Amino acid sequence: LAKTTQPISMDSYEGQEVNITCSHNNIATNDYITWYQQFPSQGPRFIIQGYKTKVTNEVASLFIPADRKSSTLSLPRVSLSDTAVYYCLVGDSMDTGRRALTFGSGTRLQVQP
Amino acid sequence: DTAVSQTPKYLVTQMGNDKSIKCEQNLGHDTMYWYKQDSKKFLKIMFSYNNKELIINETVPNRFSPKSPDKAHLNLHINSLELGDSAVYFCASSQDSWPYNSPLHFGNGTRLTVT
Repeated sequence: LAKTTQPISMDSYEGQEVNITCSHNNIATNDYITWYQQFPSQGPRFIIQGYKTKVTNEVASLFIPADRKSSTLSLPRVSLSDTAVYYCLVGDSMDTGRRALTFGSGTRLQVQP
Repeated sequence: DTAVSQTPKYLVTQMGNDKSIKCEQNLGHDTMYWYKQDSKKFLKIMFSYNNKELIINETVPNRFSPKSPDKAHLNLHINSLELGDSAVYFCASSQDSWPYNSPLHFGNGTRLTVT
């Protein structure tokens, strides 16, 4: 099973760049790396997904080294509204042979003014 | 329009009761899921259905029974509720473009409190 390890919490200030690193040593060849954001009283929301190297969208960038054993979510110039829990996921093989996403404990990001 | 909607948003009930949570998605996705988030915020998958067929059944008590009348709906019925069932239950859906892990779309959760 592909497990992930993330820092429990991080603090930042408005306008700073935040990098959250996730370790996934047992990632499988076909697994993609996906990041989600969760605000209180809401379901997780998809942020970005990648397989290797670098992916960028309007919200974040995802950096994945060649060995794919880790990944880094980069949030440029965070604001107070970026305060949330961020989850890193990789595919998880289940007994039925189908795949689902297993969520770890996530990283609680607190952005201060 | 809400993509994944679940009802009710809050559910307070007593031990031993039977309750249901409903979920509907209007995204045209093939796969739907139920996740449980406990007080420590861990999100654990419980069930997954693909085109009304059960494909993932995690280790959950038999008191939990999912039902999918069609691929746009996945309901969760819980019998003989226990205190430990108190949690937030999230419904989700995905396009499930195998072998890629297609992004999940979540509802806003149902907070179940068993007293």
